[in-house]
Amino acid sequence: QLQVQESGPGLVKPSETLSLTCTVSGGSINSSNSYWGWIRQPPGKGLEWIGSIYYSGSAYYNPSLRSRVTISVDTSKNQFSLKLRSVTAADTALYYCAKENPYGDYALYWGRGTLVTVSS
Amino acid sequence: SYELTQPPSVSVSPGQTARITCSGDALPKQYAYWYQLKPGQAPVVVIYKDSERPSGIPERFSGSTSGTTVTLTISGVQAEDEADYYCQSADSSGPWVFGGGTKLTVL
Repeated sequence: QLQVQESGPGLVKPSETLSLTCTVSGGSINSSNSYWGWIRQPPGKGLEWIGSIYYSGSAYYNPSLRSRVTISVDTSKNQFSLKLRSVTAADTALYYCAKENPYGDYALYWGRGTLVTVSS
Repeated sequence: SYELTQPPSVSVSPGQTARITCSGDALPKQYAYWYQLKPGQAPVVVIYKDSERPSGIPERFSGSTSGTTVTLTISGVQAEDEADYYCQSADSSGPWVFGGGTKLTVL
């Protein structure tokens, strides 16, 4: 069964860039009609969709984060990545990556999440 | 911006039926999806397209819709069902929206 797993630094300084990678196993990130996404959950709060990327590279972002977010795909490594620029304490959260359904409507398989803390 | 509204908490005794609602103006036009979140585990989708149940999800989980409200029903609740549940949909322009989440407590 397909699995996804997040990785990256657990601590980022304010104003810097948060960078996370999601590694896909048990399937190809490059298969047709594949959407991949990032979702986060601040401590004690609800889920927030960050954005999604189609296997071909077209990306879609939450309007509230669009100016600071980039999601990209590296097919050679079977990975996709998240970059969030100019972070503040409000970006402290559990970050999840996910494989979406073929139409990009919902998250089919999730990772366990990785906690990123923004602090100096 | 578009919002989905869930009750913060629902409590039931084992064997009873739990109903978790999710309300939003776009729900008559957009499908809803339900996720189960447990600490330290990967979230799981328990209902998709309002009422479809993925393979591997117990039959006690079901979904329904009426107007601007969708409902996740867990019949014969078990202790292992204690978790946070989130509904998710999309507004007309595409971005996903999540409800605020409901903590299900099994008494």
